[in-house]
Amino acid sequence: AQSVTQLDSQVPVFEEAPVELRCNYSSSVSVYLFWYVQYPNQGLQLLLKYLSGSTLVKGINGFEAEFNKSQTSFHLRKPSVHISDTAEYFCAVSGDSNYQLIWGAGTKLIIKP
Amino acid sequence: GAGVSQTPSNKVTEKGKYVELRCDPISGHTALYWYRQSLGQGPEFLIYFQGTGAADDSGLPNDRFFAVRPEGSVSTLKIQRTERGDSAVYLCASSAGRGAGMKQYFGPGTRLTVT
Repeated sequence: AQSVTQLDSQVPVFEEAPVELRCNYSSSVSVYLFWYVQYPNQGLQLLLKYLSGSTLVKGINGFEAEFNKSQTSFHLRKPSVHISDTAEYFCAVSGDSNYQLIWGAGTKLIIKP
Repeated sequence: GAGVSQTPSNKVTEKGKYVELRCDPISGHTALYWYRQSLGQGPEFLIYFQGTGAADDSGLPNDRFFAVRPEGSVSTLKIQRTERGDSAVYLCASSAGRGAGMKQYFGPGTRLTVT
């Protein structure tokens, strides 16, 4: 069975500093990987996804993620965060034979001024 | 254009009562998903529709939960004999077609509180 682990429940970071949000997954089959963001009082929005091809995926709002098959990781990064990035970030995975998303517990990104 | 909408946004009900939660997907989207998000956790899959039929209902926790999509657009999630443990945000998502990598568009959710 697939599972997703987001080890950090909260990540505090100063404005304009870089950030990395960690995501590890477990699966013995091909996977598709996603990062979603949930801004306060809003619905989930897709930031980026990896289906195949280049392991470095660029998304909206300056975020990018790198798929690492050997480490079964899909960490999210941004070189310089802004106060508007304050949100909860969720990593999710799906496979070839299922359409449902399996989700991590989420990481709250807290931007310190 | 219009996104996924869910009604009501908030629902408070007493233990043992019946509730219905509604989802209006993006027009033309054939796939529809229901998820449940408990406090401090990521969403948990409940059921997936492709058209009118439930293609995968393996996430429904028990037979108190049921969902329908009779005309292939609007869907209703029905919970009988609600329990306090059913309290959560219920999320609906839709996508343009079947396929494991399809982008899912999420509604704002319905916050269900069972007292």
